[in-house]
Amino acid sequence: QVQLKESGPGLVKPSGTLSLTCTVSGVSVNRGSFYWSWLRQPPGKGLEWIGYIYYSGTTNYSPSLASRVSISLDTSKNQFSLNLTSVTSADTAIYYCARDTVGHDYWGPGALVTVSS
Amino acid sequence: EIVMTQSPATLSVSPGDRATLSCRASQSISGNLVWYQQKPGQAPRLLIFSASTRATGVPPRFSGSGSGTEFNLTISSLQSEDFAVYYCQQNNNWPPWTFGQGTRVDIK
Repeated sequence: QVQLKESGPGLVKPSGTLSLTCTVSGVSVNRGSFYWSWLRQPPGKGLEWIGYIYYSGTTNYSPSLASRVSISLDTSKNQFSLNLTSVTSADTAIYYCARDTVGHDYWGPGALVTVSS
Repeated sequence: EIVMTQSPATLSVSPGDRATLSCRASQSISGNLVWYQQKPGQAPRLLIFSASTRATGVPPRFSGSGSGTEFNLTISSLQSEDFAVYYCQQNNNWPPWTFGQGTRVDIK
């Protein structure tokens, strides 16, 4: 059974860095054919794709966030992580990690991150 | 960036009725269209990929159609558990993958 779960601080100060980790079970992040994505959803709003990482370490980011985002892989812990720098209140959202194959077929439950002083 | 536009924003339907949701892409995405269902407090659930292929475990009352720029999701006979928000997403041209703004299906 594939499962994903996000973890990290729920509160980040403006201009700080948002850091989240996704722990994956039931499948290796080192396995080809899968992309490992981060997405977000501001409260009461729609979904936004942030970016993904492939098992090889290749990444792809949304152009609107590319200057502030990085995604990395830790195969020894079967995890992948998100860093988003210089955050503002506009970055307050539920952050989801997900596996991307033909679509995002497995999702974590989501982690609410609030940007506030 | 490809813009995805869903209509209507809200669809009020009686249980047992048929519902048709629309999704339009700003340029052709061939058949590279995904539909998700999201219930309050939950992560989205993959329903349909490649415009018309049901994901594992999705009931046959859900069907997808379309290609190019125009797509539909049809729920043939709405059940109580189908009242939710539905999103379309293109996975043809990246970056980035883009989503529609969602259609809320609520009880009439």
